[in-house]
Amino acid sequence: GAVVSQHPSRVICKSGTSVKIECRSLDFQATTMFWYRQFPKQSLMLMATSNEGSKATYEQGVEKDKFLINHASLTLSTLTVTSAHPEDSSFYICSAGTGKGGSPLHFGNGTRLTVT
Amino acid sequence: GENVEQHPSTLSVQEGDSAVIKCTYSDSASNYFPWYKQELGKRPQLIIDIRSNVGEKKDQRIAVTLNKTAKHFSLHITETQPEDSAVYFCAASISNFGNEKLTFGTGTRLTIIP
Repeated sequence: GAVVSQHPSRVICKSGTSVKIECRSLDFQATTMFWYRQFPKQSLMLMATSNEGSKATYEQGVEKDKFLINHASLTLSTLTVTSAHPEDSSFYICSAGTGKGGSPLHFGNGTRLTVT
Repeated sequence: GENVEQHPSTLSVQEGDSAVIKCTYSDSASNYFPWYKQELGKRPQLIIDIRSNVGEKKDQRIAVTLNKTAKHFSLHITETQPEDSAVYFCAASISNFGNEKLTFGTGTRLTIIP
């Protein structure tokens, strides 16, 4: 079945630094990937839709200059949290679809970001 | 945009009993409704989904019902087992050939009491 690989699974960084999270579709091409953020004991909130070869579409209230998304190929999307602050500490999850009707989305394993 | 409400936020049932979780959605254009199970620190796992052209779908102990007129859908788990304990999320979207932009409900923490 379709697999989405997300790295790293955990990262601790200092306040003010940047962190890059990778999301790869291993056995299918993903023209669209989605990035979600999940705070403890809360739901998944869509941050942005990543489109291969074009700019990402951000949800209302999400700072595009802080959360940089690059989808340079059909199998890789990256989310960079720039100038991280403690309030950015969260669980970040990507998902990707095969683009085939009737097929479900596939989620990565998530990245636990802790900013100290 | 779409808004999905989910109830209850927590649910405890005795092992072997049934559990029901309900969701309502706001966008009448939504036509794809998946349910996910998430264990602590892990990815959401799709357990069942339903599209708006059917009213009910069942997979062993799990079933989902959809009422398009009322814009609500429900998850039913029968003969619950301890391993069913997890957080469950409903979601809604407009089907887009496998690239659904999901709006999630707020989640239900289900605890199965042995």
